[in-house]
Amino acid sequence: SYVLTQPPSVSVAPGKTARITCGGNNIGSKSVHWYQQKPGQAPVLVIYYDSDRPSGIPERFSGSNSGNTATLTISRVEAGDEADYYCQVWDSSSDHPRVFGGGTKLTVL
Amino acid sequence: EVQLVESGGGLVQPGGSLRLSCAASGFTVSSNYMSWVRQAPGKGLEWVSVIYSGGSTYYADSVKGRFTISRDNSKNTLYLQMNSLRAEDTAVYYCAREDGDYANWFDPWGQGTLVTVSS
Repeated sequence: SYVLTQPPSVSVAPGKTARITCGGNNIGSKSVHWYQQKPGQAPVLVIYYDSDRPSGIPERFSGSNSGNTATLTISRVEAGDEADYYCQVWDSSSDHPRVFGGGTKLTVL
Repeated sequence: EVQLVESGGGLVQPGGSLRLSCAASGFTVSSNYMSWVRQAPGKGLEWVSVIYSGGSTYYADSVKGRFTISRDNSKNTLYLQMNSLRAEDTAVYYCAREDGDYANWFDPWGQGTLVTVSS
């Protein structure tokens, strides 16, 4: 089955740029989606199809995907961005195509 | 407003059963792919099951043969019947609508319902 690898944690100072990676074999050939989950809350979609933002998601959130790494970039980080972030792909070659990464805890210093 | 509200979680003994419900508003459950995703305490997200608009159902290997996903179109509600529960099934269970043409994502999600399997 397809494996997605995320760093357990990323730290960033307010106002700076946070980059959260999601690694997978030739992930650039797949579409990557990203979710934000704040403590005690349900996940919220923040990026779909690698770089598209749902309505209501700030432009500070962006995504890219190439080679073996997809990246969620959060610009001008705010304290309210502190959360767990999960990547997800659709692995069409698998009987179970819905695959999540292990998640990354973003800490705003 | 598109919304999902889960219910039915609770404490159950190993080997017991529980049925989760997910009431939808703002859209029609039967016209969409609907999934259950769970999250064990302090852990990541794990897809559990899906029901397609056509009625086909699929399960993660970890729950196949024990869990059954279904829907009631008249109530616009999704269900997850969980039998032969194990300690490792302890988790918050979320229902979510799937979207996308060729590489689905989950949006929106319900608020989740906690299932605790313990004696």
